[in-house]
Amino acid sequence: QVKLLQSGAALVKPGASVKMSCKASGYTFTDYWVSWVKQSHGKSLEWIGEIYPNSGATNFNEKFKGKATLTVDKSTSTAYMELSRLTSEDSAIYYCTRDYSGFDYWGQGVMVTVSS
Amino acid sequence: DVVLTQTPSTLSATIGQSVSISCRSSQSLLDSAGNTYLYWYLQRPGQSPQLLIYLVSNLGSGVPNRFSGSGSGTDFTLKISGVEAEDLGVYYCMQATHAPYTFGAGTKLELK
Repeated sequence: QVKLLQSGAALVKPGASVKMSCKASGYTFTDYWVSWVKQSHGKSLEWIGEIYPNSGATNFNEKFKGKATLTVDKSTSTAYMELSRLTSEDSAIYYCTRDYSGFDYWGQGVMVTVSS
Repeated sequence: DVVLTQTPSTLSATIGQSVSISCRSSQSLLDSAGNTYLYWYLQRPGQSPQLLIYLVSNLGSGVPNRFSGSGSGTDFTLKISGVEAEDLGVYYCMQATHAPYTFGAGTKLELK
């Protein structure tokens, strides 16, 4: 069955970067876009951007350009998101999702806490 | 960006009651090819969101048929015909017609 397994929670200092992973299984990784979604504490959802594993093509929400970098490793069916120059506003849960007529599968989420 | 306005923000229901959630868009979600990219998700407490409805009215895989979606243009509705305990959580609409994809603020369904 389709699974998206994300890396564990991260505690990072302001100004640092964090890179999280999303390992896909149960389907052909290169055939579907992977999107990333942010959920700040107790709040709604924000779409960060998406990547097409087959080509590496990306699309971003303008708000996250320069903040988020999306990459993939096709050999391990893993998508990555790196967030740079972290501030308290980046503290949130980050989800990876498979994009096929909506976000039909979601990872379990990565909680990122930015604190000194 | 497209703004999706969900009402109500909180919904109290008894088991078996039928309820509806509205999602209104600041722009038409009908694209030039005739497609409307409007989705509904449920996020149960402590869980990741899950897809309920895609393309306005199509049930996601494994979603019970007490859920239904309808609407067009800028006005959309999610209906639950007979709330069950497992339906409690926060419901979000999302549009993917216009970049960037955007979500509504959510509607919390709780037991009365």
